[in-house]
Amino acid sequence: GAGVSQTPSNKVTEKGKYVELRCDPISGHTALYWYRQSLGQGPEFLIYFQGTGAADDSGLPNDRFFAVRPEGSVSTLKIQRTERGDSAVYLCASSLIGQGNTGELFFGEGSRLTVL
Amino acid sequence: AQSVTQPDIHITVSEGASLELRCNYSYGATPYLFWYVQSPGQGLQLLLKYFSGDTLVQGIKGFEAEFKRSQSSFNLRKPSVHWSDAAEYFCAVVPRGTNAGKSTFGDGTTLTVKP
Repeated sequence: GAGVSQTPSNKVTEKGKYVELRCDPISGHTALYWYRQSLGQGPEFLIYFQGTGAADDSGLPNDRFFAVRPEGSVSTLKIQRTERGDSAVYLCASSLIGQGNTGELFFGEGSRLTVL
Repeated sequence: AQSVTQPDIHITVSEGASLELRCNYSYGATPYLFWYVQSPGQGLQLLLKYFSGDTLVQGIKGFEAEFKRSQSSFNLRKPSVHWSDAAEYFCAVVPRGTNAGKSTFGDGTTLTVKP
């Protein structure tokens, strides 16, 4: 597709379960970002990939959160042992340019995660 | 600590009226500054950005923003609002030389447009 695609758009899970959220960036974009947006707040940076490697994961809240981008395109955000506080919209963005540059970010519509 | 504040949680304006959304930041040095719009069912979209130079920045959809160093502000303006401008608006900042993707976002201002 032309834009950043995120699946699923909605995910309801139970406390303690494992969840995967997928992001398909714009073709050719080398930089990929994950954010978490809680209700009534702005997006909060989680992790940034340049190619296949995680260039900066300083925003991940704890070791239950992990993300991969094995082939430098699609990325998966993985949340283990989900907690109710993980409920949020998870946003993905991609850009042509990465570290040290200011390429425009293109955002997906997000994956809304609800942990019951 | 570095921070960005959007003082207005919700603003209502009439269609055709002018609009100003406020953004204040607290950083050691002038950061890079951005405004994004988030419409229902759509991803965040960049409206405009300020890196350096002219302090009045023009963006898409008829928006502009003015950087005021003395006030640590970067307010978004539009002379005449359209019903389609109803959305949530986010100001974002990042230290100079830092990847724009690591921006700190404000909590947003929701804009309602009255017919």
